[in-house]
Amino acid sequence: AQSVTQLGSHVSVSEGALVLLRCNYSSSVPPYLFWYVQYPNQGLQLLLKYTSAATLVKGINGFEAEFKKSETSFHLTKPSAHMSDAAEYFCAVSEGNSGYSTLTFGKGTMLLVSP
Amino acid sequence: ETGVTQTPRHLVMGMTNKKSLKCEQHLGHNAMYWYKQSAKKPLELMFVYSLEERVENNSVPSRFSPECPNSSHLFLHLHTLQPEDSALYLCASSRLDGQGDGYTFGSGTRLTVV
Repeated sequence: AQSVTQLGSHVSVSEGALVLLRCNYSSSVPPYLFWYVQYPNQGLQLLLKYTSAATLVKGINGFEAEFKKSETSFHLTKPSAHMSDAAEYFCAVSEGNSGYSTLTFGKGTMLLVSP
Repeated sequence: ETGVTQTPRHLVMGMTNKKSLKCEQHLGHNAMYWYKQSAKKPLELMFVYSLEERVENNSVPSRFSPECPNSSHLFLHLHTLQPEDSALYLCASSRLDGQGDGYTFGSGTRLTVV
């Protein structure tokens, strides 16, 4: 069975500071891993994904994540936070099941950015 | 434009009403999903449709009734709801062989049960 743990329900940073959102996963097979972002009253938008091609994955809006198998982690980072990055971020793991994929999500981390 | 369109965006309904949520995608996907997102709770997978056949039903009460008439459309029929059913309902779609693609989500329907 797959699961995702996101450490910290809220993370606060100042504008221009490093953003680090943590995600650990468990999976019985090599996983596919995703980060999604959700702005208020919106759906989830894909930020980036790991599909075993490269361990360092670059996504939209300057975000990137590194897959570390030994640590079962997939932490999300951004060198310099912008006010527009304030949103909720979800880490997810996918395992295939008879042709369709089931995404299991973490509980989410709310990123707060102060001026 | 997300590629997955949900209507209505907002819905207020009484506990005795019957209403339906609609989801539409023209991405060529053939798997569709309903998720429930409540405040301070993780995303809950409700239903999965693969090639228009329901393949997962995660212990969802019978007052929620999904329908998938074709691969582009997904409905969630609601009746006799409870106040605790108030939430953001998200529709998503994916390719059947697209395990590494993730899902494409709609913007959701904000449901309030009064």
